[in-house]
Amino acid sequence: QKEVEQNSGPLSVPEGAIASLNCTYSDRVSQSFFWYRQYSGKSPELIMSIYSNGDKEDGRFTAQLNKASQYVSLLIRDSQPSDSATYLCAVKSGNEKLTFGTGTRLTIIP
Amino acid sequence: DAGITQSPRHKVTETGTPVTLRCHQTENHRYMYWYRQDPGHGLRLIHYSYGVKDTDKGEVSDGYSVSRSKTEDFLLTLESATSSQTSVYFCAISERAESGRYTDTQYFGPGTRLTVL
Repeated sequence: QKEVEQNSGPLSVPEGAIASLNCTYSDRVSQSFFWYRQYSGKSPELIMSIYSNGDKEDGRFTAQLNKASQYVSLLIRDSQPSDSATYLCAVKSGNEKLTFGTGTRLTIIP
Repeated sequence: DAGITQSPRHKVTETGTPVTLRCHQTENHRYMYWYRQDPGHGLRLIHYSYGVKDTDKGEVSDGYSVSRSKTEDFLLTLESATSSQTSVYFCAISERAESGRYTDTQYFGPGTRLTVL
């Protein structure tokens, strides 16, 4: 059973600070990694995808991948109240199916 | 917006009745997926399709069937609904890049909230 683990939170971060979200996965041959944001009552929306070891930056978001440690993270700089949501980590391993973590609930405190 | 709609958006039904959920997409995506989302379990794949009349099971397929007779429509059927199938159901598609190769990035529809009493 391929697993994706996330701390369910809630994670509380002051406005303007850096929020750090973490995800570990069990399948060593995993190839593609995704972060989705989901507001309450809404569908998941894609924030970032990452395929290679290292960092990938997009605006205030940075995804970090370490395949040797089977670890992927998402950093949100200058956190805003609108960043309060549940963040889902998803991993793809060799076929068209994704395995999702249960999500981390992030709250940005004004 | 990947041009995905789901219907109905909300449904309340009784145990033992059949239910069909519809996912419709307008951009000719080859891959389509049905997930359910429950507290503590996250998103779990029910079935997916890789073309017209080509479908396969996901990790929680028991009690569900699917059909895809047209590229744009992917139907999920609960033959005899049970209370354990109360959930939020999401349809997703895999994006097709301009080169024609399919990426593994998935985009989600708005969801259907199903309550089985």
